[in-house]
Amino acid sequence: ETGVTQTPRHLVMGMTNKKSLKCEQHLGHNAMYWYKQSAKKPLELMFVYNFKEQTENNSVPSRFSPECPNSSHLFLHLHTLQPEDSALYLCASSQVTSGGTTSTDTQYFGPGTRLTVL
Amino acid sequence: AQSVAQPEDQVNVAEGNPLTVKCTYSVSGNPYLFWYVQYPNRGLQFLLKYITGDNLVKGSYGFEAEFNKSQTSFHLKKPSALVSDSALYFCAVRDGGRGNTPLVFGKGTRLSVIA
Repeated sequence: ETGVTQTPRHLVMGMTNKKSLKCEQHLGHNAMYWYKQSAKKPLELMFVYNFKEQTENNSVPSRFSPECPNSSHLFLHLHTLQPEDSALYLCASSQVTSGGTTSTDTQYFGPGTRLTVL
Repeated sequence: AQSVAQPEDQVNVAEGNPLTVKCTYSVSGNPYLFWYVQYPNRGLQFLLKYITGDNLVKGSYGFEAEFNKSQTSFHLKKPSALVSDSALYFCAVRDGGRGNTPLVFGKGTRLSVIA
């Protein structure tokens, strides 16, 4: 897990707060991902960045705003969240091929941020 | 669209016995299949993957999985379970014939190895 780090590990916030989750990968990868893991539900892909460009946004509410300033860092900005947004937020990275060709890449995950919205 | 099914929410096995965690998939192209494990308060750790080649794939910590195209299955196995194998296991699939498609995960199976 040291290849992908996430901070903070735990976060408690009120519905009116603004906070940010940070992810950093030390693997030299060119793609990064945000997932949401809620109890008793499958892992939900939220956002994908390939070569710093957002390529996937799975109907995520606008109260979640991603930012990828470079290929090693990924942020998830949070504002006016709801209690149902409480979950474990996981970041992952992988090395993908360019030009839209098929990728066999393996995703490597960080330890996650446990978010509680009061 | 691709999908993954893990039919068992929970699997219990005695230490030293063989274990199997089941996974079936559905994709329109070539399946790229993955197994991940998650320990409490940790992220997902990669165990093994099947892309092409030998149907039996060996991975970390003594785990292996067998790709069965006719049954569209990719069950995870270990000959002798350890108490430390107790964790949440996720199967995932990508459609290998459609560019860089996202991974789709199953709901997970909780493995409990009893001493």
